[in-house]
Amino acid sequence: GAVVSQHPSRVICKSGTSVKIECRSLDFQATTMFWYRQFPKQSLMLMATSNEGSKATYEQGVEKDKFLINHASLTLSTLTVTSAHPEDSSFYICSARPGTSGSVNEQFFGPGTRLTVL
Amino acid sequence: ILNVEQSPQSLHVQEGDSTNFTCSFPSSNFYALHWYRWETAKSPEALFVMTLNGDEKKKGRISATLNTKEGYSYLYIKGSQPEDSATYLCAFGVWDSSYKLIFGSGTRLLVRP
Repeated sequence: GAVVSQHPSRVICKSGTSVKIECRSLDFQATTMFWYRQFPKQSLMLMATSNEGSKATYEQGVEKDKFLINHASLTLSTLTVTSAHPEDSSFYICSARPGTSGSVNEQFFGPGTRLTVL
Repeated sequence: ILNVEQSPQSLHVQEGDSTNFTCSFPSSNFYALHWYRWETAKSPEALFVMTLNGDEKKKGRISATLNTKEGYSYLYIKGSQPEDSATYLCAFGVWDSSYKLIFGSGTRLLVRP
C-alpha cells in the first residue's frame, strides 16, 4: 500500500528556534502534498498545499513566512516552522496524493509530528 | 466557511455491539466524502471515498451510506471488536485551486472487551 513517513515524530524546542519536519512518500510519487495542523480536540486544519517544483499555496490565515514549505522532489516535502513560539505547539501531519493534481485520488497520511515549543 | 460536523464526539461500546456515527456536511456543491480510521500513534487510514447520492460501501464489518441531498453520511460497524477502537474521521472534498479535504473533528470509538 501507499506509505508516507514523517520525521521527526516528536520534537521539543526552545522559543525562537526553527524546526524542520520532513514528509516522504516511500513507494509512490506525489506531485501534491498537504500539510495540516491539529490543535487539541479540534479538526485537522489544512495549512497549505505543496506542489512539486512550485510555490506552496497557503490557506487563509496561515503565514507563509512563518511556515516555510519546500517540495523539491516527487517524494519529499518539508515544513519549517521558523522562530517557533509556544502558540505554534501543535500536532502537524502531512499527506501525499499520487497522480495528477486534477484527479480525485486518495490522500495518504503520515503519522504526524508533535511539536512542543517551550 | 464550510463546516463538517461529526457526532457523537466519543462513544464507548461493549465488544459485539453494533454502532454508528454521523457526518454532516454542506449539501451544495458536493463532490466527494471521505472516511478515515485513525488509530493512536499511527497514520490515518482511508476507509471509503463516496461520490454518489445513495452510495453504500462496505469493507468487512464496516459500511457507510451517503445522502448528498440532505448532507449526511453514516458509518456503521457491525459487531464491534476491541481492534476497532480508533478515531473515525470524515472529510468533505472541495475544489479550490486544487482538490482539498475539509475534516470533521472525528468520533472517538472505544470498544471494551
